[in-house]
Amino acid sequence: GQQVMQIPQYQHVQEGEDFTTYCNSSTTLSNIQWYKQRPGGHPVFLIQLVKSGEVKKQKRLTFQFGEAKKNSSLHITATQTTDVGTYFCAADGGKLIFGQGTELSVKP
Amino acid sequence: NAGVTQTPKFRVLKTGQSMTLLCAQDMNHEYMYWYRQDPGMGLRLIHYSVGEGTTAKGEVPDGYNVSRLKKQNFLLGLESAAPSQTSVYFCASSYSRGTLEAFFGQGTRLTVV
Repeated sequence: GQQVMQIPQYQHVQEGEDFTTYCNSSTTLSNIQWYKQRPGGHPVFLIQLVKSGEVKKQKRLTFQFGEAKKNSSLHITATQTTDVGTYFCAADGGKLIFGQGTELSVKP
Repeated sequence: NAGVTQTPKFRVLKTGQSMTLLCAQDMNHEYMYWYRQDPGMGLRLIHYSVGEGTTAKGEVPDGYNVSRLKKQNFLLGLESAAPSQTSVYFCASSYSRGTLEAFFGQGTRLTVV
């Protein structure tokens, strides 16, 4: 079945450092979505990528979809304490399958 | 708009008891999903529905049943609860496959003792 692997599982950074999480699939994805879950909260949609090689930016967040549409990444520049939470990628192939998530902690 | 509403928010069950979790959405979405979230395991899909009257198995369907009798409601049932079903359950809905964003409910924290 469709599987999405996400690494790393945890990332601890000093405020101001950059952060990247990676999402990989063994199969070609039609699209990929990214969500953020704050501690104690529910997942909230961030963005969807559809095109091969697509790059989208939201302020300090940069999202990329690989040329082969089998991998994606989320990069945060100059992390802030408000970035704390778990970031998930999700593959939408008829059923929405999530990666394991990357939990980001930011030390002030 | 309420969005996606889950009831109850918390529940403690004894092993062997049954219960139903209710998910209601007011966005006229076609797709609805039930996930469970456990530490280090991410969000795992239990069952999902692509429209009223349809259901399908996800990644971890064993021990759960679902029904989608009305478009706006998606019910998750546990017939005989087990401690392994202790988890946080999230319901989500989206308009259709490949469209933007799934909206999540606030979650139900279930403990089976």
